[in-house]
Amino acid sequence: DAGITQSPRHKVTETGTPVTLRCHQTENHRYMYWYRQDPGHGLRLIHYSYGVKDTDKGEVSDGYSVSRSKTEDFLLTLESATSSQTSVYFCAISGQGGEKLFFGSGTQLSVL
Amino acid sequence: GESVGLHLPTLSVQEGDNSIINCAYSNSASDYFIWYKQESGKGPQFIIDIRSNMDKRQGQRVTVLLNKTVKHLSLQIAATQPGDSAVYFCAVPKGGADGLTFGKGTHLIIQP
Repeated sequence: DAGITQSPRHKVTETGTPVTLRCHQTENHRYMYWYRQDPGHGLRLIHYSYGVKDTDKGEVSDGYSVSRSKTEDFLLTLESATSSQTSVYFCAISGQGGEKLFFGSGTQLSVL
Repeated sequence: GESVGLHLPTLSVQEGDNSIINCAYSNSASDYFIWYKQESGKGPQFIIDIRSNMDKRQGQRVTVLLNKTVKHLSLQIAATQPGDSAVYFCAVPKGGADGLTFGKGTHLIIQP
């Protein structure tokens, strides 16, 4: 998966708890993205980063925050998980904005 | 904003036949198009891309055709194999650093 590692691969948590998902890349790509994938909605952008400490919101950013303190790591945090955040989360990277993305293997998150 | 749609949510083909998956896009200014394959339980995998200065591009057993006049692109898979069973997405850049807009996908089913 193009030098992208997502962790954990699976997580079950309870409503109201904080959750952090990690994306680590070894490609030294500038751009990193977090998407969620749900039946009937396809892939939707949560947040993205265009450099260290440079992040911006996507179309479904409510309830999520991100941080990028190093080129290789992009963290997605659910401050207080809700059942509507049960989803598969994918990290993606790109060497250039507006070009093809390379995806990680995903994290299956279940919020009970 | 840009929208991307696939014509069929499911396509069933016989093993050995050719498969054609279609996609329509809304923005006539789009100049770059990408196809992804997603197998069950995995992240989307880049297959092939094409720029608007081309009408056709070939890869290994795959061909992408672009018709800018009607804003349509298609992915052709030759001699479909069981390993081709997956969901296929087309995607176009949003225009900035915020990644791609994805279609909802066509599930390709291979009949023995």
